[in-house]
Amino acid sequence: TQLLEQSPQFLSIQEGENLTVYCNSSSVFSSLQWYRQEPGEGPVLLVTVVTGGEVKKLKRLTFQFGDARKDSSLHITAAQPGDTGLYLCAGQGAQKLVFGQGTRLTINP
Amino acid sequence: DAGITQSPRHKVTETGTPVTLRCHQTENHRYMYWYRQDPGHGLRLIHYSYGVKDTDKGEVSDGYSVSRSKTEDFLLTLESATSSQTSVYFCAISEDKDSPLHFGNGTRLTVT
Repeated sequence: TQLLEQSPQFLSIQEGENLTVYCNSSSVFSSLQWYRQEPGEGPVLLVTVVTGGEVKKLKRLTFQFGDARKDSSLHITAAQPGDTGLYLCAGQGAQKLVFGQGTRLTINP
Repeated sequence: DAGITQSPRHKVTETGTPVTLRCHQTENHRYMYWYRQDPGHGLRLIHYSYGVKDTDKGEVSDGYSVSRSKTEDFLLTLESATSSQTSVYFCAISEDKDSPLHFGNGTRLTVT
């Protein structure tokens, strides 16, 4: 069974601080997706990383796929209250998409 | 936003009653999925469909059935609801099996 462990599960920081969310597995994935979910809504795709070592930037968000394609990280620079939400990673396995448990991020003004 | 509509958005039902949730898409995507989201468990796949009348089980399919008679509609049925099925249910669609998912806004189901 392929599992994705996200850490931390909860994170509350002040506006302007930097943070990193991690997504780890012992399994190899062909790609990894990051989603953001706001209360009362479904998850929305932020980015897909495909190549080992790949780095993608989305404004203040930086996503990295591990060289071995087993892990990924999301780094947010100068966090803002609008970044508050549930962040989910999802790895594309051979048979299915595997979701992490999510990281609930709160940015305090 | 991808055209995905889930109905109802909220439902309260009693243990033992049948419940059907509906997902409707306007994107003509081949794949449709039903997930449930529970605290501490993330999103777990219940069933999915890869075409009209073509469905398969996910990791938590017990107690659920699905039907897809048209490309645009995917129904999830709880034949006899139990309290353990209290959850938020999300429908998702994708163009093919390796494409990212587009989610609906969910149905909050409470079984009392």
